[in-house]
This record gives sequence, C-alpha cells and structure tokens, in this order.
Amino acid sequence: DAMVIQNPRYQVTQFGKPVTLSCSQTLNHNVMYWYQQKSSQAPKLLFHYYDKDFNNEADTPDNFQSRRPNTSFCFLDIRSPGLGDAAMYLCATSYEGLSPGAFFGQGTRLTVV
Amino acid sequence: GQSLEQPSEVTAVEGAIVQINCTYQTSGFYGLSWYQQHDGGAPTFLSYNGLDGLEETGRFSSFLSRSDSYGYLLLQELQMKDSASYFCADTMDSNYQLIWGAGTKLIIKP
Repeated sequence: DAMVIQNPRYQVTQFGKPVTLSCSQTLNHNVMYWYQQKSSQAPKLLFHYYDKDFNNEADTPDNFQSRRPNTSFCFLDIRSPGLGDAAMYLCATSYEGLSPGAFFGQGTRLTVV
Repeated sequence: GQSLEQPSEVTAVEGAIVQINCTYQTSGFYGLSWYQQHDGGAPTFLSYNGLDGLEETGRFSSFLSRSDSYGYLLLQELQMKDSASYFCADTMDSNYQLIWGAGTKLIIKP
C-alpha cells in the first residue's frame, strides 16, 4: 500500500547530540512537510518542500534543518537538540497541497536526555 | 494574520450527534480540511471542503460556508472510538501550506 513511513518511531538522544529523522513516501506526492507537535497542541509547521523548492517557516529555529534528496525521501536534522525539542515529529505529504488532504506518517517521538 | 478558531473541548454521549465548529480568518483561503488524531497517534485525514456545502463520508460530514468564513464537522452515531482530537486546517493556495486550528478534544461518555 502507498504510504508515508517515518523512522525511527521512537528516538532518544542526548542533549546537544545531532539527530536525524527520516521520512519516505510511496505516494509520489510533490509536497512534503515536517511538523513538530507537543502535547495537546496543534502540529507546528517547521518546513515544507514543493518539489525541490524549500520553504522555511519564519519561526523555525536555526537548529532545525531539512534535506530532500529526491521525491521519495525527506530528512529532518536537529543539530543540537535541547530539552525543549522533545516532541512528536510528523512528516506529511500532499499532492499540490490540495484535496484529498495531507497524508501523515506515524511520527517519531523524540526524547532528549 | 491567519487563524482558525475551534472549541477546545466538546463532550457528547455515545450514540449521539456532535458538531465541531471552525471559523477562519485567512488570506488566500482555498479549502477546509478536517483531521482526526488519537492520543499518541498521527493525524488522519477525514474530509475536505473546497466548495460551499456539505460533504458526507459515512458517519462523518463536513460543511463549508465561504461567505461566513465558517465550517463544521458533524459526527453521527458517536462511538467510543471517536474520542480523539479534531483539527480543522486551511489549505492555502500559495506555498501549499496547511494552517491549523488549535484542535478540539472530543470526549464521549457512555
């Protein structure tokens, strides 16, 4: 089945130690999103790609970077994780951002110790 | 600015009908989406309204009125498994972003 897959599901990292989260999709969607979601809050958009065009949200910290080497894969790099970066990280895809909506992976739960 | 307003919490009884409202103030509005998210899970797409009117998908329906900048999600024959958070989101036509409401926690009582 076509889907969005995030790895790993759970990631524990040390304070300040770089970490990379990955996302792959078999939907052939041209738009990919990275969201951060903390408990009882709405997902917060960090970045999105329209094809290879990268869009960085104005309030996304410089500590967060992203790469999209091809249509199917997207990575989120956190250069120096702080305790405040502990959250669920969600990858999503859509075709042109339109209906039938965005498809989400299962998320990566990041813990910073 | 861009904002979507929805109630923070709604309580209903199993078997009943519940409506979750969403009002929006956004520029470049393209359409309204609804997502369901269970605790610890990822959001899943429920419904999309690009045009005014009602869209029905099984027990769930969604409505949009562009003139009123208003939409709602209607859940019928509520089941305990419908207990979740529900988000409305605005699909912007530029940059292909989704602007999210803060979410409505739906609590269902037996």
